[in-house]
Amino acid sequence: KAGVTQTPRYLIKTRGQQVTLSCSPISGHRSVSWYQQTPGQGLQFLFEYFSETQRNKGNFPGRFSGRQFSNSRSEMNVSTLELGDSALYLCASSLGQGGYEQYFGPGTRLTVT
Amino acid sequence: DQQVKQNSPSLSVQEGRISILNCDYTNSMFDYFLWYKKYPAEGPTFLISISSIKDKNEDGRFTVFLNKSAKHLSLHIVPSQPGDSAVYFCAASDRGSQGNLIFGKGTKLSVKP
Repeated sequence: KAGVTQTPRYLIKTRGQQVTLSCSPISGHRSVSWYQQTPGQGLQFLFEYFSETQRNKGNFPGRFSGRQFSNSRSEMNVSTLELGDSALYLCASSLGQGGYEQYFGPGTRLTVT
Repeated sequence: DQQVKQNSPSLSVQEGRISILNCDYTNSMFDYFLWYKKYPAEGPTFLISISSIKDKNEDGRFTVFLNKSAKHLSLHIVPSQPGDSAVYFCAASDRGSQGNLIFGKGTKLSVKP
């Protein structure tokens, strides 16, 4: 069974631009969660989508948004990029919503200059 | 306020010896706990989990212990191997309320040959 895939793997953007990251979950998984990882901060939860609905949201500004499609694929969007948005963005999928085992993709490394 | 804490940013162990990674949590509603391993440039990989109705779970060289009264869990790796060198994240969730996973900041384990 194919794992979680994320595209692109690397991205360089300029402050003020916007970016869209994509995530394809493991086949059959209906829940997709997004995390931001920065040095020394661990994995910070952004949001979780289940059956195309946002179920949980972390403590991030409204510039961070996402959506999920009927095939469970998910996208995350960050508008008006700031230097502090430079991070590894990880997507994880699971069978059920909430605190089940999550399986992570390789991440998208975003650099904002 | 951090709900899941890994107070040791790093740990160094000799090959063949036991590695003990610790994690503390503050939310008494957490009922499910997980450990993940992360290599550089890869997403975290699920290792082992434990429900709050148990106090121990084993999987090969990995054992997780849960002490609910102390709100503490630990991951034991025996024997440690150089390939175990990675960052280990502890995570917890309140599955009863379908809460998302809350991660600690991680502990970097180095296993010396």
